Amino acid sequence: RKEVEQDPGPFNVPEGATVAFNCTYSNSASQSFFWYRQDCRKEPKLLMSVYSSGNEDGRFTAQLNRASQYISLLIRDSKLSDSATYLCVVNFKAAGNKLTFGGGTRVLVKP
Amino acid sequence: DVKVTQSSRYLVKRTGEKVFLECVQDMDHENMFWYRQDPGLGLRLIYFSYDVKMKEKGDIPEGYSVSREKKERFSLILESASTNQTSMYLCASSSRLNTGELFFGEGSRLTVL
Repeated sequence: RKEVEQDPGPFNVPEGATVAFNCTYSNSASQSFFWYRQDCRKEPKLLMSVYSSGNEDGRFTAQLNRASQYISLLIRDSKLSDSATYLCVVNFKAAGNKLTFGGGTRVLVKP
Repeated sequence: DVKVTQSSRYLVKRTGEKVFLECVQDMDHENMFWYRQDPGLGLRLIYFSYDVKMKEKGDIPEGYSVSREKKERFSLILESASTNQTSMYLCASSSRLNTGELFFGEGSRLTVL
């Protein structure tokens, strides 16, 4: 079983709709969590950190469920420019604070 | 603006050749990383360095070595390239080891024939 798993998608989303997807992690001792965004043929960039209480950044909402060992990302009012691959990243404390990346969830927003 | 620069965007090499991938960051970051990214496998850590001349193995170090002679420069070396090393290689840097914020270069796509 992979340490960090994501549905690869693609999630085809009408413009203006809401889309949400999850990422599961295997190690309950995981310390911190992040979402990265990677545009086609570009490098990954940090989108947002995920806090225990949940957090919002504009149209993006991240949630953490430690009991079920998953994090989620919700995008409201989707824009064409939200089309990208979203990478789930987990910091496993036991692994010396190295970041472990999921395989990514591809989101395609269509007019 | 922060910048991580990788020396080559695209390389084509033959099996058995020695390959150097160079990465330079201008943010005075202590930590630098080399990942490879393959479809369905995500980013996998090859090596990282938390200081000049220091290096640590990541999850898939076999077939690779690294060099960090200066703080701003981190090189990945494939001593004898093989076809299974065809991949996208991404360099990254960060100010702290346990920070979630990595700054990536644009990547180097290596094809080994």
